[in-house]
Amino acid sequence: EAEVAQSPRYKITEKSQAVAFWCDPISGHATLYWYRQILGQGPELLVQFQDESVVDDSQLPKDRFSAERLKGVDSTLKIQPAELGDSAMYLCASSLELGVGAKNIQYFGAGTRLSVL
Amino acid sequence: KQEVTQIPAALSVPEGENLVLNCSFTDSAIYNLQWFRQDPGKGLTSLLLIQSSQREQTSGRLNASLDKSSGRSTLYIAASQPGDSATYLCAVRGLGGNKLVFGAGTILRVKS
Repeated sequence: EAEVAQSPRYKITEKSQAVAFWCDPISGHATLYWYRQILGQGPELLVQFQDESVVDDSQLPKDRFSAERLKGVDSTLKIQPAELGDSAMYLCASSLELGVGAKNIQYFGAGTRLSVL
Repeated sequence: KQEVTQIPAALSVPEGENLVLNCSFTDSAIYNLQWFRQDPGKGLTSLLLIQSSQREQTSGRLNASLDKSSGRSTLYIAASQPGDSATYLCAVRGLGGNKLVFGAGTILRVKS
């Protein structure tokens, strides 16, 4: 069964360092999402792509976070510089297409757990 | 702004009990509601999806209901097992697009 792949699974970094996460969506899925889940809370959407274009990045802290999906397939989320408050699980999800409907059910990866020391 | 609340925050039950998890949302203009399971340190697994026009969905020992007008959903787990221990999250999708708004989850522990 096709899955959303994320790496690394775990990342420990010191504050002020740069860190990057990678996501490979299910083949053929045009829409890709990055969520941040702080311990004890539900996931919160950071950024949403349709192919290589950003559809929604209203919750992305743009002073330190950036996301790209250059060829409309895999995606990278970067934090520079990392802060203590960035410690969280970063989840990637993908769906077949944008818009409401059965084809936009989101499938989640296993996530990257980030610890900032 | 849509807000999703889940009660209780944590629940511990003996094996074999039937249990109910609750989810409420502030804006009834939703397209659908979804229940997820999350094991410690893992990603999310979709359990049930209820369209706004539906009242309930069933999968095995799980039954989810939706009362859109009152902004409530329940997840019923029958004959609970230790393997059901996990965090259960509900999420709603608004009418305008794909964005999912999640609750904080209910941590379930089923004791053997």
